[in-house]
Amino acid sequence: DTGVSQDPRHKITKRGQNVTFRCDPISEHNRLYWYRQTLGQGPEFLTYFQNEAQLEKSRLLSDRFSAERPKGSFSTLEIQRTEQGDSAMYLCASSHTSENPTDTQYFGPGTRLTVL
Amino acid sequence: RKEVEQDPGPFNVPEGATVAFNCTYSNSASQSFFWYRQDCRKEPKLLMSVYSSGNEDGRFTAQLNRASQYISLLIRDSKLSDSATYLCVVKGAPGYSTLTFGKGTMLLVSP
Repeated sequence: DTGVSQDPRHKITKRGQNVTFRCDPISEHNRLYWYRQTLGQGPEFLTYFQNEAQLEKSRLLSDRFSAERPKGSFSTLEIQRTEQGDSAMYLCASSHTSENPTDTQYFGPGTRLTVL
Repeated sequence: RKEVEQDPGPFNVPEGATVAFNCTYSNSASQSFFWYRQDCRKEPKLLMSVYSSGNEDGRFTAQLNRASQYISLLIRDSKLSDSATYLCVVKGAPGYSTLTFGKGTMLLVSP
């Protein structure tokens, strides 16, 4: 399977715990994105990387959230001191670097987080 | 005003019907436009890009009106398998690669 993969697919945690999610992009894609989606909403952008550099962060990404892509391949998203409002689907996507307007992003299956 | 607005639906149509979804966007500098399809509890998947000249892919036709900042998707001869949420997606000006999604329009096709 050469698509975007995410692990775990589901995570249930108690409020206050830390969680970490992993994303493996399509191998030839330089850009990697994290989005969050809650019920009844479209995905909302959190942050993105070009290779190992984190180029943009949304104001949605509070201090409790941190993302890394240390070797420019897989990425991790960590949420510290989880809150019930963090319950959502966390989606990872990847794309080529080119600025071709029609280049788009391909999404992984997501990690569904439930904070009790 | 939200950046990308869609009617959430649901649109309930019988098999074989033609259905149209509309979307408006607020950023006039937006450069690229897409329709994604999302099945229940699954990830969004690219359905088609949207070009100013309009484009067609089988039963699906997408149109873009830059002057009105309006995007449409037409589905002809609806199939049961078309039941899903259709997300209108906008990509910003060159150099801005993030996608802005609408809330999605739910389509339910019944026998």
